[in-house]
Amino acid sequence: AQSVTQLGSHVSVSEGALVLLRCNYSSSVPPYLFWYVQYPNQGLQLLLKYTTGATLVKGINGFEAEFKKSETSFHLTKPSAHMSDAAEYFCAVSVWGGTYKYIFGTGTRLKVLA
Amino acid sequence: DSGVTQTPKHLITATGQRVTLRCSPRSGDLSVYWYQQSLDQGLQFLIQYYNGEERAKGNILERFSAQQFPDLHSELNLSSLELGDSALYFCASSPAWGNNSPLHFGNGTRLTVT
Repeated sequence: AQSVTQLGSHVSVSEGALVLLRCNYSSSVPPYLFWYVQYPNQGLQLLLKYTTGATLVKGINGFEAEFKKSETSFHLTKPSAHMSDAAEYFCAVSVWGGTYKYIFGTGTRLKVLA
Repeated sequence: DSGVTQTPKHLITATGQRVTLRCSPRSGDLSVYWYQQSLDQGLQFLIQYYNGEERAKGNILERFSAQQFPDLHSELNLSSLELGDSALYFCASSPAWGNNSPLHFGNGTRLTVT
């Protein structure tokens, strides 16, 4: 069965430091992978997606993620954290099973310290 | 703005009651997904509709039902409400169900059952 694991439900970084949010997936077929961000009292907003092709994917707000098939990972990074990056981040996988099923991780809440 | 509209934003009701949540998808999107987000369960997939037809079911209780109308808006009906049904309910839409497009989320309806 397909699944998504996000390591660390809470991550704190200092402003200007590297952001690394981890995501591992389990899928028997090639997955499509997504990162979403959720700000307080808002819905989820797409940050970036991997479907096929280049394994390093760039998204909005300076975020990027790299698809590593051998490690079944899709970690999200940003070189320098900004206070406005404080939010909850969700990794998701989409796989075909009669219809495309979108499976979300449990989320990582990012705190940015001044 | 994702283009997905959910109403109402907040709903407070008593146990045993019935409520209806409404979702208008992005213009041109034929597929609608419903998710429940709670602190202890994370983001749980409930049900998906495509062009008026049910396509996939997730962890949706028998007390819950949904439908998608000819104008593509969707309604999620929750009945015999229990305290544990208190959660954020999100609607998301995508252009189709077979092309792996990212989901676009509304801002959610916060349901409080007292």
